Amino acid sequence: GAVVSQHPSWVICKSGTSVKIECRSLDFQATTMFWYRQFPKQSLMLMATSNEGSKATYEQGVEKDKFLINHASLTLSTLTVTSAHPEDSSFYICSAGRGQGIGSPLHFGNGTRLTVT
Amino acid sequence: AQTVTQSQPEMSVQEAETVTLSCTYDTSENNYYLFWYKQPPSRQMILVIRQEAYKQQNATENRFSVNFQKAAKSFSLKISDSQLGDTAMYFCAFMTPSGGGADGLTFGKGTHLIIQP
Repeated sequence: GAVVSQHPSWVICKSGTSVKIECRSLDFQATTMFWYRQFPKQSLMLMATSNEGSKATYEQGVEKDKFLINHASLTLSTLTVTSAHPEDSSFYICSAGRGQGIGSPLHFGNGTRLTVT
Repeated sequence: AQTVTQSQPEMSVQEAETVTLSCTYDTSENNYYLFWYKQPPSRQMILVIRQEAYKQQNATENRFSVNFQKAAKSFSLKISDSQLGDTAMYFCAFMTPSGGGADGLTFGKGTHLIIQP
């Protein structure tokens, strides 16, 4: 069964509004979670690393004020797309490492399809 | 920075045939992990197989095996007795361990594998 739950699976919002996406590890604690973005027919691009109890680490070119990440507990990380615009429309996927992390298989959520109108 | 290259955008084989997907990577690290992930139309990321760089023995998982050539920085995936359910996007991914936890994955652009009946 799924070990990482992502919600919602799809969302449509109007330009200028904010959208929050949740990523939960269901039966294990994840001190580190990862957020990826995938455009149609393209690969996954790492956006940021979410660290429990501390600030997220963003990849180069990703606006931290645009994509707010909060990792408030060992089982939950949230990604908020602020003031969304049509170019933010994409597929967002989170992942979390099970076990000690190093080299452990990373389990992915089912993804969230965001459409900004 | 690490890069992962998948040179085959799309491949098509007949059911029950064997197919090999290629992947090369570039890194200056000596300790790292390599993965193959499968993404079917549902877009759920599914771990197929993983390889630790310090292990010379090629990883095997049922019909899936890898040919890991560390000196050549090559990590190909062989699927034996291919099945219709193997139709999906396949992504090669690279990870270096960082500190005490997992690091994010760097993905290749993917290979769309089509298994023909």
